[in-house]
Formats: sequence, C-alpha cells, structure tokens
Amino acid sequence: NAGVTQTPKFRVLKTGQSMTLLCAQDMNHEYMYWYRQDPGMGLRLIHYSVGEGTTAKGEVPDGYNVSRLKKQNFLLGLESAAPSQTSVYFCASSYIGQPPYEQYFGPGTRLTVT
Amino acid sequence: SQQGEEDPQALSIQEGENATMNCSYKTSINNLQWYRQNSGRGLVHLILIRSNEREKHSGRLRVTLDTSKKSSSLLITASRAADTASYFCATDAPDSSYKLIFGSGTRLLVRP
Repeated sequence: NAGVTQTPKFRVLKTGQSMTLLCAQDMNHEYMYWYRQDPGMGLRLIHYSVGEGTTAKGEVPDGYNVSRLKKQNFLLGLESAAPSQTSVYFCASSYIGQPPYEQYFGPGTRLTVT
Repeated sequence: SQQGEEDPQALSIQEGENATMNCSYKTSINNLQWYRQNSGRGLVHLILIRSNEREKHSGRLRVTLDTSKKSSSLLITASRAADTASYFCATDAPDSSYKLIFGSGTRLLVRP
C-alpha cells in the first residue's frame, strides 16, 4: 500500500515550457486535491476533484489545468510555466465517507521555473 | 485567503519541554485538524477536534478548541528531537466540508 505518490520529485523548467505532474493513490479515495506551498506559507488549494471525471477550481487555479480520467490518478498541468509557479506541489486524497475528511498527502514535487 | 493563522511562527525549545502552538481562524467551522510536516516531506494528519468538543488527547498531543474565540491550541508534552517539524492547523472550508484551509504553520525546533 503505497498511499499517495507523486511524479516527478524534482523538475526545473524554463519559462514558457509545459509539464504535467502525476499523482496516484491506491486507497480508493474519491476526493483528490492539488496544493502549492510557498516559503513561509501554508498550503493553497489549486484544483480539486470529487470523483472520476470531475474537477473544480480552488483558491489559486490560474495557470494550471487538471484532469481526473481515472479514479486513482489526478494530473496537474502547467501549459506555459512562469517563474511565479516556482513552488512545492503537493497532492492529497481523502475518503468520501462521513465528514470530517482527513487528507493523505504525497511527498511533494519541487518545481523551479527559470 | 488563509483561514487559520498559527502563533508563534517559530518556536525553539529544549528536549523534554512542552511545546504549545496556537491557531486562530475567521469563520465558523465543523472541525479543526492539525498536521505535521517534516522537512522536505508531505503533511501527516495528527489529530482532529470537532466543533462540539473542547479538548482531545492522543498520546503526547493535547488539542483544545474554543469556538467562541475561534482558536485552537496544540500542546506537545515531553518533546523529543524527532518532534522537530512544521505544524499546521486546517479548518473545513465554509463552502464544503471536504475542502481544507491551512494556516501558515509553526516551525518547531526541539534541541537535544
């Protein structure tokens, strides 16, 4: 049982390049989330999904797109990377049952945009 | 916008001492959670307290919640060097219970 995994762990992009971050979970969770964490700050929600085929915007969605084609995977895309997107990205998932919803986090992806 | 704000931003204590972190939030909540983040790692859920609870214990952790003051505290007793980490409070979002809003965290250093 690997929990939540993220690929890649590190990435350096040039401004304008694109990339996709992959999140996978093996806990059969319905809800999945993408956050970014900047120095000295908490996590900010980028996008989230309440089930396969559904996505919704979070607090800071601009510049990102997501897809949830399979229940276990949640992809975060950057179409044209900008230096402001330099951050650590975390994926999380949670169970659909009765609230409250404890979230399980992946190890993070450290992205630098030059 | 951040719902929870932790205080202090950083805390340095000696091993064996107790560590207390505080969290304040702005809107009414159904529950409040505390998470730990070790350096370079993802967050790990520590403990949850519901809005109708005032205090909860889990091992060396004690959480209190005062909904009238919109605040919570996390107490770690008899701290260990392994407790060195950042600690975040998270509240359920006003518009949905499955979304969390995280505070900015308290960085705890436990000196051996």
